[in-house]
Amino acid sequence: LAKTTQPISMDSYEGQEVNITCSHNNIATNDYITWYQQFPSQGPRFIIQGYKTKVTNEVASLFIPADRKSSTLSLPRVSLSDTAVYYCLVGGVEYGNKLVFGAGTILRVKS
Amino acid sequence: DTAVSQTPKYLVTQMGNDKSIKCEQNLGHDTMYWYKQDSKKFLKIMFSYNNKELIINETVPNRFSPKSPDKAHLNLHINSLELGDSAVYFCASSPRLTASSYGYTFGSGTRLTVV
Repeated sequence: LAKTTQPISMDSYEGQEVNITCSHNNIATNDYITWYQQFPSQGPRFIIQGYKTKVTNEVASLFIPADRKSSTLSLPRVSLSDTAVYYCLVGGVEYGNKLVFGAGTILRVKS
Repeated sequence: DTAVSQTPKYLVTQMGNDKSIKCEQNLGHDTMYWYKQDSKKFLKIMFSYNNKELIINETVPNRFSPKSPDKAHLNLHINSLELGDSAVYFCASSPRLTASSYGYTFGSGTRLTVV
C-alpha cells in the first residue's frame, strides 16, 4: 500500500479556504485517493475520492496533479464545525477491505 | 436510524475482566470490521468478516474474539482485559469485501478504559 504523508496539524479561521496536501510518492496505477473526516468522539466519515485531475462534491474538492504523487483536499469557507482530523488514504479496490489510516491532519478552525 | 450502531458507548472496567462490545448495521452490507484507535489517534484494523466468515485477523491477541451471528452483527469479546487494551474501538461496514474505499460506514465508537 502506498504510504501517505500529511501535515500533523493546521490552523485556520472561519470563512477561509483550507487546503490540505497529502504526499503519496509510491502510488500505484490502480490506486484511488480517498479522504475521510473524523470529528471528536465519532467514527471517520467519507468525504471525497478521486483518481486524477479534479473531483468536487458538496463538501470539498480534490485536486490531483498529472503525476498523482500528491493530492490536495480543499475545503471552501470553513466553519468552526469543520474542526476535525482529516485522513488521506491511498489504495486500490483490492485493498478496499482493509483501510489503512495514517496519522491524519488535525484541522483547527478558529473564530 | 443509525446505520452502524455500537454498544456501549463507554466502558470502564478492571484489569482481568471479560467484556463484550456489540455492533449492528442496518445498511444491508456484506462486510463488517473492527478497528482500534489508540491514544495517538492511529486507526488500525483488527478484524473483518464477510457474510459471517472471518477474512482478516491482524495479529490481534487471542484474548480478542469476534463473533458474527449474521451479516448484520459483529460483536467483539475481550477476555482478561489489560491496561493496554484501553482505546476507542470502532465498528464499520462496507457493501462487499472488495468495496472501494469510499464505501465504508463507521460507528461512533466505544471508548474502553481498563483500570
